[in-house]
Amino acid sequence: KQEVTQIPAALSVPEGENLVLNCSFTDSAIYNLQWFRQDPGKGLTSLLLIQSSQREQTSGRLNASLDKSSGRSTLYIAASQPGDSATYLCAVNGQNFVFGPGTRLSVLP
Amino acid sequence: EPEVTQTPSHQVTQMGQEVILRCVPISNHLYFYWYRQILGQKVEFLVSFYNNEISEKSEIFDDQFSVERPDGSNFTLKIRSTKLEDSAMYFCASSGGSGGQETQYFGPGTRLLVL
Repeated sequence: KQEVTQIPAALSVPEGENLVLNCSFTDSAIYNLQWFRQDPGKGLTSLLLIQSSQREQTSGRLNASLDKSSGRSTLYIAASQPGDSATYLCAVNGQNFVFGPGTRLSVLP
Repeated sequence: EPEVTQTPSHQVTQMGQEVILRCVPISNHLYFYWYRQILGQKVEFLVSFYNNEISEKSEIFDDQFSVERPDGSNFTLKIRSTKLEDSAMYFCASSGGSGGQETQYFGPGTRLLVL
């Protein structure tokens, strides 16, 4: 059974810092991995999708990497802004979509 | 930009009542999903739907749940006899083709409260 974990559970950084969020999964038989952002009480916004054959994807200040063999993905956020404050979820698509518990990010002005 | 929509945004119901949650997926998408998130917990997969039938379902998706695509645009989740523990945010999602391996786009959710 696929298990997805995310470290850290919460992170608070000053504005302008670069940061890395980590996601680990136990079963490497996946089709893809997707990173989402969730604002309090709101839905999920897709940030990046990495197919299992890819190593990384970039969108603006975001860069996600995937090491399928070791069961890890990272989300790198460059030059963080207060508007980046949210919970970041990774989800692994194998037999079905399994979500991690999320990292709650606070970017302080 | 196309988006997934869900109605209602909030629903309050009495235990034992039936509820129907509605979703309009992105128009050219072929795969449809329901997820739920109990307050403070992980997002959990419920069911996926393709070609007018369930393709995968989780242990949570028991006999009290059903899904339907009654017309060309709507995708519904029915809970037959609600329980207190069904209180959660329910998200609908859709994706294009390629065996469901494309980006999933989520709706804003329906917050269900069972009293």
